[in-house]
Amino acid sequence: AQKVTQAQTEISVVEKEDVTLDCVYETRDTTYYLFWYKQPPSGELVFLIRRNSFDEQNEISGRYSWNFQKSTSSFNFTITASQVVDSAVYFCALSEMNYGGATNKLIFGTGTLLAVQP
Amino acid sequence: DTAVSQTPKYLVTQMGNDKSIKCEQNLGHDTMYWYKQDSKKFLKIMFSYNNKELIINETVPNRFSPKSPDKAHLNLHINSLELGDSAVYFCASSQTVPGANVLTFGAGSRLTVL
Repeated sequence: AQKVTQAQTEISVVEKEDVTLDCVYETRDTTYYLFWYKQPPSGELVFLIRRNSFDEQNEISGRYSWNFQKSTSSFNFTITASQVVDSAVYFCALSEMNYGGATNKLIFGTGTLLAVQP
Repeated sequence: DTAVSQTPKYLVTQMGNDKSIKCEQNLGHDTMYWYKQDSKKFLKIMFSYNNKELIINETVPNRFSPKSPDKAHLNLHINSLELGDSAVYFCASSQTVPGANVLTFGAGSRLTVL
């Protein structure tokens, strides 16, 4: 069965610290996509990144970086020099591919609440 | 211009009532979704429509009836509301790219059933 595990329920850091959010997934698909979404206190869901299963290169976007390792089924997210505005719930998600191409289903992890203290 | 808009943003109602949440997207996407986020922030898909055709129905009680009059709209009607229906309901849309769809979410509609 498809599953996404975010073992860290809550993380609290002080501004300027680096923080890594863990994501471990399970799938029997050989082709799949992984995503991270951010949900700030205002409640909307904001797309951060998509990574396909064939691309294991790490990605960096400003203070954000992602480490995808198929060998450990992990897709971890690191924020460097955290800021108060990074405070949010972060969701990792896996795309389930079994719908004939017409659509896909995102399976979300339970989220990690990141609190960045000033 | 809001890409995916939902109305209302907040809805407070009594048990047993019927209510609707509307969703519209102006992104030209072919696929639309309803997700439910419970009090523990867990997000789960309820329905997915592709070009007005129901594709995913995730064992949701039949008190929930989605309706897609065209591919830019997906409304959610809920009959005989129960306490357990209290949640935030998110509408989303995406292009139809197998598995790779990046979902754009609306701001959510918080439903409180008293």
